[in-house]
Amino acid sequence: ETGVTQTPRHLVMGMTNKKSLKCEQHLGHNAMYWYKQSAKKPLELMFVYSLEERVENNSVPSRFSPECPNSSHLFLHLHTLQPEDSALYLCASSQDPGAKPQHFGDGTRLSIL
Amino acid sequence: SQKIEQNSEALNIQEGKTATLTCNYTNYSPAYLQWYRQDPGRGPVFLLLIRENEKEKRKERLKVTFDTTLKQSLFHITASQPADSATYLCAPSNFNKFYFGSGTKLNVKP
Repeated sequence: ETGVTQTPRHLVMGMTNKKSLKCEQHLGHNAMYWYKQSAKKPLELMFVYSLEERVENNSVPSRFSPECPNSSHLFLHLHTLQPEDSALYLCASSQDPGAKPQHFGDGTRLSIL
Repeated sequence: SQKIEQNSEALNIQEGKTATLTCNYTNYSPAYLQWYRQDPGRGPVFLLLIRENEKEKRKERLKVTFDTTLKQSLFHITASQPADSATYLCAPSNFNKFYFGSGTKLNVKP
């Protein structure tokens, strides 16, 4: 049972498609995050939002475009992805950025054909 | 750049024994360190957070140490159970800078 819900759980798309990943948190948190998890590699922080403002962007390619319309919802818009972008994309939330536990969703498994 | 090392090889132990996992970091000084558990097909689940001014923290069968001189954290599970089998991730971090290790897979055999 999780307070962070991600949809879809699985996504297969071609390199020319446009799709979006959705994350919703029901915990009343102010900070939300996108991570990329590839096999045998550490979680890579992509974006951090605090009170709907982006506070961190770790040199992520522009083919990934985040959107945070309110403190409960976070999107990751995808376009013109590459095969190396295939990975598990995890969303997380915390009370605020900083020394607070992060609550993760179960991720979207993305495969690029 | 910062580097985090966790044993990439799986740790196999017998039920009832104490499991000890290691997290080493270099090239930065984290203000705090978190440990998470991740099961296959699921997102990480938070277990414990320890701050740089704390040496040790406990929660039920779990114990974490944080040695800022050695740049190392140890994570102990006492009286281990097969249900403890999972991948454990350490995350030595600073405010707005969140870094994770690759994780160590723990297998507890009955």
